[in-house]
Amino acid sequence: EPEVTQTPSHQVTQMGQEVILRCVPISNHLYFYWYRQILGQKVEFLVSFYNNEISEKSEIFDDQFSVERPDGSNFTLKIRSTKLEDSAMYFCASSTREGRRGTDTQYFGPGTRLTVL
Amino acid sequence: DQQVKQNSPSLSVQEGRISILNCDYTNSMFDYFLWYKKYPAEGPTFLISISSIKDKNEDGRFTVFLNKSAKHLSLHIVPSQPGDSAVYFCAASAIQSNTGKLIFGQGTTLQVKP
Repeated sequence: EPEVTQTPSHQVTQMGQEVILRCVPISNHLYFYWYRQILGQKVEFLVSFYNNEISEKSEIFDDQFSVERPDGSNFTLKIRSTKLEDSAMYFCASSTREGRRGTDTQYFGPGTRLTVL
Repeated sequence: DQQVKQNSPSLSVQEGRISILNCDYTNSMFDYFLWYKKYPAEGPTFLISISSIKDKNEDGRFTVFLNKSAKHLSLHIVPSQPGDSAVYFCAASAIQSNTGKLIFGQGTTLQVKP
């Protein structure tokens, strides 16, 4: 069964450093998402991406964040200058949204645990 | 932002019995609802979904009920098994509004006792 994969599983970085989190979505999916979950809190939306551009972003997704689909398979989240409060689990998701049928099942990867020291 | 609420942080049931997990929402634009199961240090695993044009969807041991007038949905697991022990998240989206973002509830930790 196809699945979303993410690397690395755990990333430790110093405050102020840049990190890139990588995701390989399910191959026939067209919509891509990043979510995060701070320890003890709910899963929260960061950004959605379709047709090589951001379709929606949350207030959390400020200028320090960027996303890219550098080739036909990878989808990346970059944090330019990490802060302590960026420590969280970051989840990538993908879907084949079918708006007319009213379905949009998003499949999630296993996550990357980001620890900012 | 409390658009999706799961008011019970935890639920404990005996193996073989029914587990009922509840979820309430406030945004009337939501038209697609999903339940995810999550183990510690793993990503959410999709379980079952329901579109707002339906009031029930069943998949094996899992059934989701949607009451639009009450803005309430529930997940029934029958019979419950110890392997069902996990955190269950309710999520909602507004597909017809062309936004795919999922809004999650806080989660309910289900423990199924042997």
